[in-house]
Parts: sequence; structure tokens; C-alpha cells
Amino acid sequence: DSGVTQTPKHLITATGQRVTLRCSPRSGDLSVYWYQQSLDQGLQFLIQYYNGEERAKGNILERFSAQQFPDLHSELNLSSLELGDSALYFCASSPRLSRQGSTEAFFGQGTRLTVV
Amino acid sequence: KNEVEQSPQNLTAQEGEFITINCSYSVGISALHWLQQHPGGGIVSLFMLSSGKKKHGRLIATINIQEKHSSLHITASHPRDSAVYICAVSLGNQFYFGTGTSLTVIP
Repeated sequence: DSGVTQTPKHLITATGQRVTLRCSPRSGDLSVYWYQQSLDQGLQFLIQYYNGEERAKGNILERFSAQQFPDLHSELNLSSLELGDSALYFCASSPRLSRQGSTEAFFGQGTRLTVV
Repeated sequence: KNEVEQSPQNLTAQEGEFITINCSYSVGISALHWLQQHPGGGIVSLFMLSSGKKKHGRLIATINIQEKHSSLHITASHPRDSAVYICAVSLGNQFYFGTGTSLTVIP
């Protein structure tokens, strides 16, 4: 158990809908990362938050947004869902923000999103 | 263009064999990570390294910064090692992932 909790584990929804994925980081970890893993593209970094502020952006679509709350949990919002958004969405946390990026990340079990 | 390339894509081994998975990257990095993803989907971070070599149990990871290459070795492989092994590099707060090596260890 990594200490990172993601809910829900599975989610099935229709095209055009909006969903919210939730991540609770390890106790004391300030940094939260979101990743998408689809069959055809592998793991991709989406976005990172540190202590409530956005710190880095990867290949995140404009239809997607995220935030980190004062209690450090994070939510990833996916809207106007398309079939191609079906994927595993992982959250990871790390204790600190390293300017050199050499910080270990602890992964949640992921949320499997299926868009039908 | 893939910043991180892994080989092989798929690997089948007999229990007890020594296994090597390779990772090459094309960008300057802060650190390289080896991740393990089991069939259920969960991801576990195995190693983070920026130089030299690290060992944890039967797993050994090495990195050659000059050659931009890393290897993950598994000694005395076991069926429970069957998983996808993913190489990732971090540069600042950005992560780039390889497509993974699917390992099956047969009893």
C-alpha cells in the first residue's frame, strides 16, 4: 500500500458527460501528479500541483482541469468526455517539490474510466 | 518522437533466469525511475536513480549518464515478477515514460 488513495476505482460514463476523479496523497506529501495511461499512448504526465498551486503541465487537454485543495487532496475533472478518454488515470504524490525533479513518487491504484 | 525507449517490448523467461530490461533516453534528465505495473493495474515505484547503481533484493538498476542508458536486472526471476516494467525520466517537474516491457516468468 503506497498510502495514496484514489476514488473511484472504476467509472463508466457516457460520451459528453463530466466526471471528477479524486486523489488523497500520502500523509504529509505536498506534491500531487496526475497521469493518464491509455492503451495506445502508454503513461502520460498530465499535471502537477504543489501545496495548492499548479507547478507543471504536460499533455493535458483543455477539457480537463485539476485542483488541489487546502487539505492537499486533489481532483481531476474531465468534461465533454469522448470515447478516446477511456483510460487508467493515476495519481502520485511526493513529499516535496524538488527543483531538480529528483523526487520519488508514490502511486495510487488508479481509476479506470470507461466512456461508452 | 519518444524521449524514452525501452527494450524489449515483451519478454518471456523461465523461472530462475537472469533478466535485463534496457532503457535509453534522449533528453537531459534529473533522475530516472523504474516502475512496476502488475496486471491489476497498480503502479509501484521500484527505483529512482541519477547515477551509478541501486540494489533492492533481487532487483538491480544501473544508469550510465554519459550514454543516456539504464538497465533493470532481475536475478533468480520468479513468476511473481511477471508485470510491466516502465522506465521514466524526470526533467524538472516533467516526467516522460517509456512504453513498458511486459515480462512473463514461467514456472
